[in-house]
Amino acid sequence: DVQMTQSPSSLSASVGDRVTITCRASQTISSYLTWYHQKPGKAPKLLIYGASSLQTGVPSRFSGSRSGTNFTLTISSLQPEDFATYYCQQSYIIPITFGQGTRLEI
Amino acid sequence: QVHLVQSGAEVKKPGASVKISCAASGFDFSAYSLHWVRQAPGHRLEWLGWIHAGNGNTRYSQNFQGRVTITRDTSTTSTYMDLTSLRSEDTAIYYCARAILHTWGFYYFDSWGQGTLVTVSS
Repeated sequence: DVQMTQSPSSLSASVGDRVTITCRASQTISSYLTWYHQKPGKAPKLLIYGASSLQTGVPSRFSGSRSGTNFTLTISSLQPEDFATYYCQQSYIIPITFGQGTRLEI
Repeated sequence: QVHLVQSGAEVKKPGASVKISCAASGFDFSAYSLHWVRQAPGHRLEWLGWIHAGNGNTRYSQNFQGRVTITRDTSTTSTYMDLTSLRSEDTAIYYCARAILHTWGFYYFDSWGQGTLVTVSS
């Protein structure tokens, strides 16, 4: 299975901060990388697919990039509604696998 | 508007089976694949498998091979996930999700059900 490792596991930040979350794949996954965030008691919500394509309706403060097997999610200016847990997911190889999550908190 | 509505919480004893439903609406059911993902307390999201709603083809994670069966009913636009031989480690929230097949050939999940809590306890 492709192992997805996120860093950091948790992150404290403030409204207006620029935040970066990293996801590393254990082998090549091309750009078949998706980012979600999840709030307590809710289902995950799609943010970015194909490593850098913004899902319709997602604010432009979210962006994604790829460098080899390393992927980055950046939030340019944190808003109160962005405090959540963030997950990366690869679908290059079955089984589809997820990162362990990054908890973004105040 | 896409809606995925799942059945309610379940409590099962070890060794039993559970079957969860996911009713879809707001889109052409037969044109998509539906996936099942679970989230155990303190664990990462874990993919169980998928079914193509149109042709009924399925693919399962080897981690659940033999214990999970995913079906669909096109007349009710619903998908079902059946997990057998339950153990305490199967206690989790189970989600169905609609998958988009990107032109590059990979899947991502654009809509999710609300989740179904399955508790396995003696």
